[in-house]
Amino acid sequence: GNSVTQMEGPVTLSEEAFLTINCTYTATGYPSLFWYVQYPGEGLQLLLKATKADDKGSNKGFEATYRKETTSFHLEKGSVQVSDSAVYFCALYRYNNNDMRFGAGTRLTVKP
Amino acid sequence: EAQVTQNPRYLITVTGKKLTVTCSQNMNHEYMSWYRQDPGLGLRQIYYSMNVEVTDKGDVPEGYKVSRKEKRNFPLILESPSPNQTSLYFCASSFDGSGYEQYFGPGTRLTVT
Repeated sequence: GNSVTQMEGPVTLSEEAFLTINCTYTATGYPSLFWYVQYPGEGLQLLLKATKADDKGSNKGFEATYRKETTSFHLEKGSVQVSDSAVYFCALYRYNNNDMRFGAGTRLTVKP
Repeated sequence: EAQVTQNPRYLITVTGKKLTVTCSQNMNHEYMSWYRQDPGLGLRQIYYSMNVEVTDKGDVPEGYKVSRKEKRNFPLILESPSPNQTSLYFCASSFDGSGYEQYFGPGTRLTVT
């Protein structure tokens, strides 16, 4: 079946550090891929998405590229801020069977 | 403001006492879904609905019921809650009949003693 694996946290960085959160997936065919962010006490918000191989999703300085050959969708940001502290979820969606799968989440803490 | 609302936000109850968590969206979305979030497990889908009067099981439907009588509402019913249903619950909706690009509610933290 379809599944998502993302790097375990927690991740703690200093402000302005480079961020990478790894995400790999298992799926048949060509899923759409997403990163969602969950700020403390809130629901998930869509951060970025990519719908086909080699697409790059980007938003708020975050980027992720859909790599079919490595079945990956790693999240990156060049310079994190304290306000980026949150839990990040990688997810995939397959239209043909309406299957939505989330990773376990990675907690990021950015210190001043 | 476009949003998904859930009530209550926090609930402490006892084993076996029936409860309902309401979910409502004001975006005219076709698709609605319920998830539970547990540490280390991410989000797992309980039930989803692709349209009014159409519901289907997700990965963890045991112990839960849903109904979709109106487009905007999708309540989650626990007829006989048990301690293993203590969790953080999220309702979500999506604009078409699929689960693509979902909008999430703020969550309901349920404790069953």
